Amino acid sequence: GDSVTQMEGPVTLSEEAFLTINCTYTATGYPSLFWYVQYPGEGLQLLLKATKADDKGSNKGFEATYRKETTSFHLEKGSVQVSDSAVYFCALCSNSGYALNFGKGTSLLVTP
Amino acid sequence: GAVVSQHPSWVICKSGTSVKIECRSLDFQATTMFWYRQFPKQSLMLMATSNEGSKATYEQGVEKDKFLINHASLTLSTLTVTSAHPEDSSFYICSASRSEATDTQYFGPGTRLTVL
Repeated sequence: GDSVTQMEGPVTLSEEAFLTINCTYTATGYPSLFWYVQYPGEGLQLLLKATKADDKGSNKGFEATYRKETTSFHLEKGSVQVSDSAVYFCALCSNSGYALNFGKGTSLLVTP
Repeated sequence: GAVVSQHPSWVICKSGTSVKIECRSLDFQATTMFWYRQFPKQSLMLMATSNEGSKATYEQGVEKDKFLINHASLTLSTLTVTSAHPEDSSFYICSASRSEATDTQYFGPGTRLTVL
């Protein structure tokens, strides 16, 4: 079945450091791919998404490119801020339905 | 727009009691609502998918008689945990989508259930 694997955290970075959170997926067909963010005490928020191969999703300085050849959707940000501290979830939505299949989440802590 | 609320945000109950959690789409009509369960430091696990006016579709391993889901209107879905036990303690999250033809879901803030 469909699945998402993302790097385990926690990830601790200094402010202005470069961020990469790896995400790979297994799916039949052509799923849509998502990154969700969960700030402390809040619900999940959609950060960005890509619906087809080579699409790049971007938002708030974060980017991720849908790589079908490597079945990956790695999240990157050039310069993180303390306010980016949160848990990041990679997810996919297969064509056969619209439920989301989530990775385990990666906790990010950015220190001043 | 696209705000989803959940009530209550936190509930503590005794073992054997039933607890109802509400999920509301505040500014849009939600054709489909999803219920997830999240364990500490774990991913969200889909429990069931519900479409307004029809029976919910439960994921394998989820007891439909224990987790009753009702989606009576386009803005409200409820999850009732019947005869709750300590192992049911978890974070329950709902999400909603505007129509069946979209992959965008809007998430509620979650409800933390603690069963003593």
